Amino acid sequence: DSGVTQTPKHLITATGQRVTLRCSPRSGDLSVYWYQQSLDQGLQFLIQYYNGEERAKGNILERFSAQQFPDLHSELNLSSLELGDSALYFCASSVLGYEQFFGPGTRLTVL
Amino acid sequence: DAKTTQPTSMDCAEGRAANLPCNHSTISGNEYVYWYRQIHSQGPQYIIHGLKNNETNEMASLIITEDRKSSTLILPHATLRDTAVYYCIVMVGGTSYGKLTFGQGTILTVHP
Repeated sequence: DSGVTQTPKHLITATGQRVTLRCSPRSGDLSVYWYQQSLDQGLQFLIQYYNGEERAKGNILERFSAQQFPDLHSELNLSSLELGDSALYFCASSVLGYEQFFGPGTRLTVL
Repeated sequence: DAKTTQPTSMDCAEGRAANLPCNHSTISGNEYVYWYRQIHSQGPQYIIHGLKNNETNEMASLIITEDRKSSTLILPHATLRDTAVYYCIVMVGGTSYGKLTFGQGTILTVHP
């Protein structure tokens, strides 16, 4: 158990819909990272927040957005969903970017 | 971040040492070598990291060559539960910027 929690574990939705994935980092970790893992793209970094502020952005689509709240939990919002958005979404947290602790992931299926 | 090159797959007998190589010839002086693994769709798991000295923890040892252009992750007594994809990542550490760039990794299969 890494100490990072993600909800929900599984999500099935239809194209065009909007979903929110939630992540609670380890106690004391200020950084939260979001990664997407699809069969054809592998593990890809999406976005990082540090103490409430966006710190780094990767290959995140404009239809996707994220935020980190004052209690440090984070949410990843995916809108206008397409079939290709089906993937595992992982959240990770860290103190200073040495080791990142990953959550169990949310499996998103878009039908 | 520097790029890394790893073999696509490796096999290892249970109980033997697994030695996973990684090339990172363009590594910069302030970049660390990190190793993570992912066991079948679980969240990636941090294993170890190092700058230039060899490192050891309860999971593995990391050997970094003197010129820092390559490294080897050693699992001293591999078990079936070590079957996973192992990722070697080079990244500046110790800052609030820490995105991990995952390559294809090495699929390690541990056989009975």
